[in-house]
Amino acid sequence: QVQLVDSGGGVVQPGGSLRLSCAASEFSFTTCGMHWVRQAPGRGLEWVTVIWADGRHKFYADSVRGRFTISRDDSKNTLFLQMNSLRDDDTAMYYCVKERAPFDGFDVWGRGTKVTVSS
Amino acid sequence: QSALTQPPSASGSPGQSVTISCTGTSSDVGGYNYVSWYQQHPGKAPKLMIYEVNKRPSGVPDRFSGSKSDNTASLTVSGLQAEDEADYYCSSYAGNNNWVFGTGTTVTIL
Repeated sequence: QVQLVDSGGGVVQPGGSLRLSCAASEFSFTTCGMHWVRQAPGRGLEWVTVIWADGRHKFYADSVRGRFTISRDDSKNTLFLQMNSLRDDDTAMYYCVKERAPFDGFDVWGRGTKVTVSS
Repeated sequence: QSALTQPPSASGSPGQSVTISCTGTSSDVGGYNYVSWYQQHPGKAPKLMIYEVNKRPSGVPDRFSGSKSDNTASLTVSGLQAEDEADYYCSSYAGNNNWVFGTGTTVTIL
């Protein structure tokens, strides 16, 4: 069964750091672009970042550029999101997401991992 | 990048149809045929319902259909059923490796 299992969320103080992980299974992870999408409590979806299948091309939303870093370990079929200088407005459910094809829709979603930034 | 505009709510009786609009610009919805729609039930992850404007993934009922005209995309749910009550979000590729989501629409079955 095609699956993404995201983890690593928790409570962190403003200015702190957190690293999210996403374990992929039952699909060809190494050939897929992967994204993170977040959803603040009671709010809509927000695209955060993408990493191409080649692992070299990475792009970020303006709201996180310079603070978040996406990476992947193809030997472990795992996606990461390093989040630094966290702010209150980074509080959200973070979803690991597989793209159906380059630039296309998102066809597989993790269950989400919750990040709370609070003092 | 501004969020795509959707109506906050839509409703219909069982068996009826409901159409949700998603308005963007020529830089996103109007510029690419990479519009997709997602269904999200409370406490659950979103589910892909439509991709590339009007294509359905395997397993999605043909009651769900998509279309696009200029800068506005639409999702129509025909033959409404109780399980269709959920939040719906559109999304579009916006160029330069950016994606944008819609503001979301809550569909209520009357």
